Amino acid sequence: EAEVAQSPRYKITEKSQAVAFWCDPISGHATLYWYRQILGQGPELLVQFQDESVVDDSQLPKDRFSAERLKGVDSTLKIQPAELGDSAMYLCASSPNTGARGTEAFFGQGTRLTVV
Amino acid sequence: SQKIEQNSEALNIQEGKTATLTCNYTNYSPAYLQWYRQDPGRGPVFLLLIRENEKEKRKERLKVTFDTTLKQSLFHITASQPADSATYLCALYTGGFKTIFGAGTRLFVKA
Repeated sequence: EAEVAQSPRYKITEKSQAVAFWCDPISGHATLYWYRQILGQGPELLVQFQDESVVDDSQLPKDRFSAERLKGVDSTLKIQPAELGDSAMYLCASSPNTGARGTEAFFGQGTRLTVV
Repeated sequence: SQKIEQNSEALNIQEGKTATLTCNYTNYSPAYLQWYRQDPGRGPVFLLLIRENEKEKRKERLKVTFDTTLKQSLFHITASQPADSATYLCALYTGGFKTIFGAGTRLFVKA
C-alpha cells in the first residue's frame, strides 16, 4: 500500500541551528500539505502545495520557515534558525487531485523535532 | 472568532459499549467534515467524510452525523474494543483549500 514517506523520524537540534525535513507524497498526488502539531493539539496547516505552486502559506512563519516543492513531487520544509517553541511533530500529508471537494488526506508518520 | 471544539477530557468506556465523540464548531459553514484517528507518535489516519447535504454516514462499526443547524458532528463507535483506544480528530473544510483540525478527543476502551 502506498504511503507518504517522511524523514527523519526524530530530530534533536540546538536553538539557532538550521533543520530540514523531507517528504515524499504518494505517487500521483498533486496536493501536498505540511502541518505542525504541538502535543495535545490538533494539526495546524503551515503550507499547502498544488503541484509545485503554493496555494496557502498564511500560517507559515516566513521569517524562519521555508518550504519548496520544486518539481511538484517531493518537498522540503526548513527552519532557520530553530527556536525552542518550534519543538513539535511536523506532519506531511498528500491528497489526489480528483477535482472533488472533500478528498481525504494521507499522512506520513511525521518528524518529531526537539529544540534544545 | 472561528473555533472547533472537541471534548478536551478523555473518554473512558467499557469494552462493548458505544463511544460517542462530539465536534462543535462556530462561525464556519463547512462543505464537509472529516474524522481521523491518531495513535501516539503517528500521523492521523482518515476514517470518514460527511458532506453538508448528508445527515449520517456509516462504515462498519463507525457512524458519523452532521447537523449544520446545531453546527455539530457526532462520531459513534459501536461495540467498542480496546484496539479503538486512540485520539479522534475532526476536521472541517472551510473553503479556499483550507481544512482546520480540532484538538481531538482521547478515547480509552477498557477490557
